[in-house]
Amino acid sequence: EDQVTQSPEALRLQEGESSSLNCSYTVSGLRGLFWYRQDPGKGPEFLFTLYSAGEEKEKERLKATLTKKESFLHITAPKPEDSATYLCAVQVNSGYSTLTFGKGTMLLVSP
Amino acid sequence: DVKVTQSSRYLVKRTGEKVFLECVQDMDHENMFWYRQDPGLGLRLIYFSYDVKMKEKGDIPEGYSVSREKKERFSLILESASTNQTSMYLCASSPDRMQETQYFGPGTRLLVL
Repeated sequence: EDQVTQSPEALRLQEGESSSLNCSYTVSGLRGLFWYRQDPGKGPEFLFTLYSAGEEKEKERLKATLTKKESFLHITAPKPEDSATYLCAVQVNSGYSTLTFGKGTMLLVSP
Repeated sequence: DVKVTQSSRYLVKRTGEKVFLECVQDMDHENMFWYRQDPGLGLRLIYFSYDVKMKEKGDIPEGYSVSREKKERFSLILESASTNQTSMYLCASSPDRMQETQYFGPGTRLLVL
């Protein structure tokens, strides 16, 4: 069974204090790994897709990396507006393009 | 920009009522999905559709049905709502099998009394 585990469940940072969120996965064959951001009461917003180990993608203060067992979302010098829940999801090599989601990391950045 | 819209942001229904949740996407996407999101359980796939009139069960289809009569519209139906179906319902769409990123709507928060 495909599994996605995100850690920590919650993270509190001071503004400017860089850190990383972890997404570890156990799947039969990875087709892609996705990161989303979700604000309270809203739908998830797509951030990145990673397809192969060693791949990296960046967007503003966020950088996602991928290994054969896990992905990291690095947040550099975060601002209060980066506060949100960050979701990781995996897609496996099967006939349908469904995603299996982790439970998310809730990030709070204090000024 | 990809636009996925859902018919209601908030909905309150009584136990036993039939409930329709509508989702519309304006990007000619082939695939559409319905999830529910609950605290501590994350996002769970209810049903999905990869073509008009086609549907596939997700991880938790019990108590739900779906309808896709037009490419842009995907409906989730609760035949007889129960209190354990109180949840946040999220619709998503993705272009096709070669472009598989899913784009989400704003969600419908359903309360069943």
